[in-house]
Amino acid sequence: GAVVSQHPSRVICKSGTSVKIECRSLDFQATTMFWYRQFPKQSLMLMATSNEGSKATYEQGVEKDKFLINHASLTLSTLTVTSAHPEDSSFYICSAERTSGTDEQFFGPGTRLTVL
Amino acid sequence: KQEVTQIPAALSVPEGENLVLNCSFTDSAIYNLQWFRQDPGKGLTSLLLIQSSQREQTSGRLNASLDKSSGRSTLYIAASQPGDSATYLCAGRAQGGSEKLVFGKGTKLTVNP
Repeated sequence: GAVVSQHPSRVICKSGTSVKIECRSLDFQATTMFWYRQFPKQSLMLMATSNEGSKATYEQGVEKDKFLINHASLTLSTLTVTSAHPEDSSFYICSAERTSGTDEQFFGPGTRLTVL
Repeated sequence: KQEVTQIPAALSVPEGENLVLNCSFTDSAIYNLQWFRQDPGKGLTSLLLIQSSQREQTSGRLNASLDKSSGRSTLYIAASQPGDSATYLCAGRAQGGSEKLVFGKGTKLTVNP
């Protein structure tokens, strides 16, 4: 149990386009989901916390208008990178926390975004 | 502000060796601490979760300890195998339970056959 999926696993897009990444909890309900970004040889940096039915909470320095988050159901959160630029190229990973449980976070397999 | 440090950044050992990975954190008011494994280009696999009231957790060949007073956690891997080669990350969660996970930069482990 506690499987989290992400789609797509890899995406290449042109500068200026928008890209949507989906994060799904497959076998549990997640009131809270988290979006992280990881640059090569660096650790994960939290971008935002996504709560079902309410606005996401963004970390300092993360532009909410550029990284749109929607958590429409207890099993799905989406991250849309709007008007992507080459500096947005990174590995994006989501995690989900069970609605009831031990506060353990379960991570998705990640999405590799490359902006040309 | 919680900061998490992992030393060493990289470690190479021969197969069969027992090893210890270190994680230190600055704020002892920690809610829980998680150890993860990350393979190249992949997401994170949760290995062990230690709550603040616990001192250690075990799963198979893995044992993780937590010492809040000294701000340290260790991950012990027994009888290492080449398949254990990966980057190991620790992450601390602050008191309150609703706070974010703060990650260390990881230790890249290579187990040589």
